[in-house]
Amino acid sequence: EDQVTQSPEALRLQEGESSSLNCSYTVSGLRGLFWYRQDPGKGPEFLFTLYSAGEEKEKERLKATLTKKESFLHITAPKPEDSATYLCAVHNQAGTALIFGKGTTLSVSS
Amino acid sequence: DAGVIQSPRHEVTEMGQEVTLRCKPISGHNSLFWYRQTMMRGLELLIYFNNNVPIDDSGMPEDRFSAKMPNASFSTLKIQPSEPRDSAVYFCASSSGYQETQYFGPGTRLLVL
Repeated sequence: EDQVTQSPEALRLQEGESSSLNCSYTVSGLRGLFWYRQDPGKGPEFLFTLYSAGEEKEKERLKATLTKKESFLHITAPKPEDSATYLCAVHNQAGTALIFGKGTTLSVSS
Repeated sequence: DAGVIQSPRHEVTEMGQEVTLRCKPISGHNSLFWYRQTMMRGLELLIYFNNNVPIDDSGMPEDRFSAKMPNASFSTLKIQPSEPRDSAVYFCASSSGYQETQYFGPGTRLLVL
């Protein structure tokens, strides 16, 4: 069964304290792994797409990496405005739907 | 450039009433998706349209739910009759192809009393 698991469920950091979020997946024939950011009361906002093991993408303080079984979202020197829920998703085997993890809620305090 | 537009943003209704949610995808996108988000189950796909044709509706919970896409710029998700367990946030997303990046609207927060 296609599945996405994210950990931890919640993460509290001090401003400047770097950390990583994990997304592990089980799907045959990965067609893309997606990271989204969701702020309270808003829709998911696209961050990155990764397609093959070893691939990395960066945007400001965020860097996403991909292996054959999992992806990491590294947050370097986070700021309070990075506080949000980060969602990971993969296409199902048929490629017709995104399967989302439950997300990691990040809180960064100053 | 306008993103995905959804209306209404909030809907409060009583059990048994009909609810219609609306979505305008990003211009030029030919794939449209309806999702439901709850605390317990997270984000789940309800139905997927490609070129206005429903391709995968396996996520539609039951016959009380129906979705239409009469043209490339408009889609509706209807619940009739509504039940309290339908309370959730409903998102519409669109993409330029069925495996391309999906862009989400702001969602409709539905509360069925």
